[in-house]
Amino acid sequence: QLQLQESGPGLVKPSETLSLTCTVSGGSISSSSYYWGWIRQPPGKGLEWIGSIYYSGSTYYNPSLKSRVTISVDTSKNQFSLKLSSVTAADTAVYYCARQRGLHCSSTSCYRLGRLDYWGQGTLVTVSS
Amino acid sequence: DIQMTQSPSSLSASVGDRVTITCQASQDISNYLNWYQQKPGKAPKLLIYDASNLETGVPSRFSGSGSGTDFTFTISSLQPEDIATYYCQQYDNLPGTFGQGTRLEIK
Repeated sequence: QLQLQESGPGLVKPSETLSLTCTVSGGSISSSSYYWGWIRQPPGKGLEWIGSIYYSGSTYYNPSLKSRVTISVDTSKNQFSLKLSSVTAADTAVYYCARQRGLHCSSTSCYRLGRLDYWGQGTLVTVSS
Repeated sequence: DIQMTQSPSSLSASVGDRVTITCQASQDISNYLNWYQQKPGKAPKLLIYDASNLETGVPSRFSGSGSGTDFTFTISSLQPEDIATYYCQQYDNLPGTFGQGTRLEIK
């Protein structure tokens, strides 16, 4: 059974960089046709897709966050990571990692990102001094 | 970004009721729509993909329909364990955007 687990600091200071890692077990992060994504949910609010990465390193980012987001993958560790720079209180949220189906895929990327079918349990990151 | 509008925002129903939630996209998204269930303190769970396909292991009382801009999610007979917030999500265009959610309560 595929499992995803987020890890990283629960408290980040304003203007600093939020860093999270997602460890995938029970399957390979190098599987074709799957991207690996980050989604966040501010307390009491809805879901926002942040971005996703393919095992090749191909990425898609939400344009609203693109200038501050970097997602990377380490296939040797079966992990992928999120960095969000210059954080403010508005970035306080539960951050989820998830597997995302890709559509119309080659060895380097997929044309379309589809459903999010496996999720981690989520980790709360609070931005506060 | 494509805007996804769910209605109602919340609803209360009795066990055994048929429950329907609608999701409207701000532009044509074909059938590129998913539905998720989120219980308090838990991660979202995929229920329906491509507007009408039931995810493996999901009870058959859940169903979805629609295409273009108008979509419907239905629970044919509400069970106590269905208490949750439900979200639609489009993936026709990036960024994939979610509806604001529908909170379902037991009457």
